[in-house]
Amino acid sequence: AQSVTQLGSHVSVSEGALVLLRCNYSSSVPPYLFWYVQYPNQGLQLLLKYTTGATLVKGINGFEAEFKKSETSFHLTKPSAHMSDAAEYFCAVIPSGTYKYIFGTGTRLKVLA
Amino acid sequence: DTAVSQTPKYLVTQMGNDKSIKCEQNLGHDTMYWYKQDSKKFLKIMFSYNNKELIINETVPNRFSPKSPDKAHLNLHINSLELGDSAVYFCASSQGLDSPLHFGNGTRLTVT
Repeated sequence: AQSVTQLGSHVSVSEGALVLLRCNYSSSVPPYLFWYVQYPNQGLQLLLKYTTGATLVKGINGFEAEFKKSETSFHLTKPSAHMSDAAEYFCAVIPSGTYKYIFGTGTRLKVLA
Repeated sequence: DTAVSQTPKYLVTQMGNDKSIKCEQNLGHDTMYWYKQDSKKFLKIMFSYNNKELIINETVPNRFSPKSPDKAHLNLHINSLELGDSAVYFCASSQGLDSPLHFGNGTRLTVT
């Protein structure tokens, strides 16, 4: 079965430091890949997506992710963390040939002053 | 002009009761979904409708019944509520089956 693994349920970084949230998927065929962010008491919002084409994808709020087929990874990065980035982040895939989202278990990002 | 709105925001009820959650989207999307998020933030799809037709029905107890009167609305009715139904329920919509999801702000259901 297809799956999505997010390494680290909690990540803490200092304000201004690099943010790296990890996501790996299991699929022999590259799926569609997404990162969503969830702020407290809100629904998820799309940060960025990869379908085809350029493997480095830029999203909102300064985030970007790189699709690496050889590593089956889609890690999310941001050069400099801001306090407002504190939230829950979800990686998601739509496996090729299906129309069903599979979400990772989420990573809570904490930004320290 | 909220894109995906669901009501109520909070729902507290007793075991055995029947309750409904309503969802409306004004984005003109063809596809709507119900997701359940448990206390550990795990997000699982329950149902998906495309143009009012049920296309995804996960292994959800048949106490849960979705209804889509038109493309812009997808309601969720739950019969005989159980303690384990306590969760946050999210409605979402998308333009197509492989397009980004637009979520509502959730309905926090607490069954006592």
